[in-house]
Amino acid sequence: GESVGLHLPTLSVQEGDNSIINCAYSNSASDYFIWYKQESGKGPQFIIDIRSNMDKRQGQRVTVLLNKTVKHLSLQIAATQPGDSAVYFCAESTDYKLSFGAGTTVTVRA
Amino acid sequence: NAGVTQTPKFQVLKTGQSMTLQCAQDMNHNSMYWYRQDPGMGLRLIYYSASEGTTDKGEVPNGYNVSRLNKREFSLRLESAAPSQTSVYFCASSEAPGLAGDREQYFGPGTRLTVT
Repeated sequence: GESVGLHLPTLSVQEGDNSIINCAYSNSASDYFIWYKQESGKGPQFIIDIRSNMDKRQGQRVTVLLNKTVKHLSLQIAATQPGDSAVYFCAESTDYKLSFGAGTTVTVRA
Repeated sequence: NAGVTQTPKFQVLKTGQSMTLQCAQDMNHNSMYWYRQDPGMGLRLIYYSASEGTTDKGEVPNGYNVSRLNKREFSLRLESAAPSQTSVYFCASSEAPGLAGDREQYFGPGTRLTVT
């Protein structure tokens, strides 16, 4: 079946730089997308979401961009901090159930 | 609010043993979910309950059963554990389908299960 995936399994970022985490999805019927952050030994934590009728949404230090033409989703983190080191998951939805990608591990270098 | 709580945090079982993973939420959510997470993979849905009194299979239900005990509690049972069920199990909850926020799921801290 169709699934959500991420372009890169790992990302190393210098502290203070901006991070961009990418996600490709293949289900054109998906109408909702969400990003989660998972720190070591913890459960996933909500970061930001976006519906398919939008192409950009901003939160505190984070921005999600949605390109439905190429079925691509990205998460931008501004001024990356050591506390941003974690695994980031994107997920898509056509109803109230979520389908998760494999995740990208972000490591912040001091 | 404690959010979503799970017990136990860790468990080691021998092949063939049974156990029940407990989950409770205090957010008055209608929908609850059970996922498993294996190394290097995303979360895969085992079972879900859209509302009290209903349960449905997800992507990987084989070897598991669930019980929606009441609105707050949703348990996952392994009747005869197998090494392939070694994983981290997460419970989540959300608003009822059709309500605002029904897509955002809140996760518990997880149960780390090892089957030898």
